[in-house]
Amino acid sequence: NAGVMQNPRHLVRRRGQEARLRCSPMKGHSHVYWYRQLPEEGLKFMVYLQKENIIDESGMPKERFSAEFPKEGPSILRIQQVVRGDSAAYFCASSPAPSLNTEAFFGQGTRLTVV
Amino acid sequence: QKEVEQDPGPLSVPEGAIVSLNCTYSNSAFQYFMWYRQYSRKGPELLMYTYSSGNKEDGRFTAQVDKSSKYISLFIRDSQPSDSATYLCAMSEGNYQLIWGAGTKLIIKP
Repeated sequence: NAGVMQNPRHLVRRRGQEARLRCSPMKGHSHVYWYRQLPEEGLKFMVYLQKENIIDESGMPKERFSAEFPKEGPSILRIQQVVRGDSAAYFCASSPAPSLNTEAFFGQGTRLTVV
Repeated sequence: QKEVEQDPGPLSVPEGAIVSLNCTYSNSAFQYFMWYRQYSRKGPELLMYTYSSGNKEDGRFTAQVDKSSKYISLFIRDSQPSDSATYLCAMSEGNYQLIWGAGTKLIIKP
């Protein structure tokens, strides 16, 4: 079991470009969560998805950010027209049930740098 | 005021010492309390979780929750250089929306 796979590990984008972050959950996990971590801060919840459904996107900015988890393939976090403030580490986690309390596995993260 | 407060450190101790890491929180509805370890440039790794109040022990690690004081602790016995990492506390009311502390950077000196 390969664990939660995120790619790319590092992503550099110029202001105004689009960033696409991918997350493949652990085998058998159908629940995916995206978190953002700014330097010297804890993780902040962004969005919770199940296959083909967005369950909770209350932590995601209303503009420029979107997420999907298609029937086939990885979950995608998409940031349009990136700005310097989007620079952060983005982590996804997966679980077999809708809870991160007891069985949660995080990926290595994607570090986005906007120049 | 943040919902979860955690001293960022760094906390530097000699190898073999007992380490105490702490978090305070303000939301009395939190029921699940987790400790994660995060090595540099890596994702968080779940170390321990506790439901409600009480103690939980796993090898060299002990987690304590005092809901009356809104205070949680992680103790590491016989600390090793490989324990050097950032330790994050996280809490929830019982769902997937974890509220995180900022993390304490721990350095174990050989």
